[in-house]
Amino acid sequence: QVQLQESGPGLVKPSQTLSLTCTVSGGSISSGGYYWTWIRQHPGKGLEWIGYIYYSGSTDYNPSLKSRVTISVDTSKNQFSLKLSSVTAADTAVYYCARRYSRSSLENWFDPWGQGTLVTVSS
Amino acid sequence: DIQMTQSPSSLSASVGDRVTITCRASQSISNYLNWYQQKPGKAPKLLIYAASSLQSGVPSRFSGSGSGTDFTLTISSLQPEDFATYFCQQTYSTPWTFGQGTKVEIK
Repeated sequence: QVQLQESGPGLVKPSQTLSLTCTVSGGSISSGGYYWTWIRQHPGKGLEWIGYIYYSGSTDYNPSLKSRVTISVDTSKNQFSLKLSSVTAADTAVYYCARRYSRSSLENWFDPWGQGTLVTVSS
Repeated sequence: DIQMTQSPSSLSASVGDRVTITCRASQSISNYLNWYQQKPGKAPKLLIYAASSLQSGVPSRFSGSGSGTDFTLTISSLQPEDFATYFCQQTYSTPWTFGQGTKVEIK
């Protein structure tokens, strides 16, 4: 059973870069048909898709964050990572990693998810 | 971006009640709609994919329906473990977007 676990600093200063890693266990990140995804949830609010990466390195990002986001993959460590630059208080959120299954170009869903990690942007 | 609007934002119900949550898309998304359940302090859990397909391991009291712009999630007989927040999500076009959530509380 695939499990995902986020790790990284819980506090980031404004204007710095937020960096998180998601470690995948119970399965290979190089498995075809799966895309490795970051999603965030602002406190008490809804969910926002950040972006995803395929094991080959291809990516897609939410246009609202695209200029500040980089997602990378390390297949040797079975990990993928998120970097979000020039953070502000508006980036304070719980960050989740998740596996996206793609049955077709339009049929996609996220399962499973990591437990989430709260990142606070504050000086 | 496609806007997803859920109603109601919250509801109170009793164990055994039939509960229906609605999700409306700002444009047609065919059946590319998923439902998730989130309990406090936990990650969302996939319940329904492709509008009406039940994820493996999810109790059969959960069902989804709809197509186009209007969708529903129904819990046929609410159980104590079902008190949670429910989100819909469209995957018709990126950026994939979620509804704001419906919180199901104990009456």
